[in-house]
Amino acid sequence: DVKVTQSSRYLVKRTGEKVFLECVQDMDHENMFWYRQDPGLGLRLIYFSYDVKMKEKGDIPEGYSVSREKKERFSLILESASTNQTSMYLCASSSIKGTANYGYTFGSGTRLTVV
Amino acid sequence: DAKTTQPPSMDCAEGRAANLPCNHSTISGNEYVYWYRQIHSQGPQYIIHGLKNNETNEMASLIITEDRKSSTLILPHATLRDTAVYYCIVRDTGTASKLTFGTGTRLQVTL
Repeated sequence: DVKVTQSSRYLVKRTGEKVFLECVQDMDHENMFWYRQDPGLGLRLIYFSYDVKMKEKGDIPEGYSVSREKKERFSLILESASTNQTSMYLCASSSIKGTANYGYTFGSGTRLTVV
Repeated sequence: DAKTTQPPSMDCAEGRAANLPCNHSTISGNEYVYWYRQIHSQGPQYIIHGLKNNETNEMASLIITEDRKSSTLILPHATLRDTAVYYCIVRDTGTASKLTFGTGTRLQVTL
C-alpha cells in the first residue's frame, strides 16, 4: 500500500526551539506539499516542492522553511517555534505522470503543540 | 483555481444514498473536479475526480452537469464510517498545481 509517512503523530516543543517535521513518501511522486489545519480555517498551504531542491511558497510561508534534498523526503522547518504555530501539520504528495494523477496522498498528520 | 461552494453540513441515514452538491460556476475548461474527505483526526483521503463525464469507482460516483458549473458526489449506501468532512476542489493538473481546500461539507451519517 502506498504511503506518506510523517515522523511524529504528536509533538510538544518550547517557544523559540527549532522544529523539524519530516515527511517521506514511497510512491516516487514528484510533488510534495505541507499544509497546516486549524479549526475554522481549514487546510492552508505552507510550502510545496515539485522537484528535488525546488521549493515554492504557498499561502502562509512566514515563519517556516522547507528542505527537499531527496525526492522521497520533504522537511518542514520552524526556525523559531511560536505558540501561534500550534496546529495540525499535514504532508501530501502527488504525481503528474499518466494515470497516476489521482490527486494527493496525505499523511496522517503531526499535531504540534508549542508551549 | 476556481472557487467552490458547498453546504456546511448535511445529514444522511445509514443505508441511504448521500448526495453532496458543489457549485463551481467559474470553472475553466482545463480544470478537473476533485473530491476528498477527511475523517476526524486523519489526513484527507482522495475519493474521485472528473473533467466532463460522470465517473464511478468503488467509493463513490461523481455527476458533473453538462455546463460543468456544478457537480454532485454520491455515496450510494452511506455507512457510519462515511461520517466526515467532504471537500470539493477544482484544479488545473499542471506540473506544480496546488490543491486549495475550502471548508467543505460535514456529512453526519446516523442510524
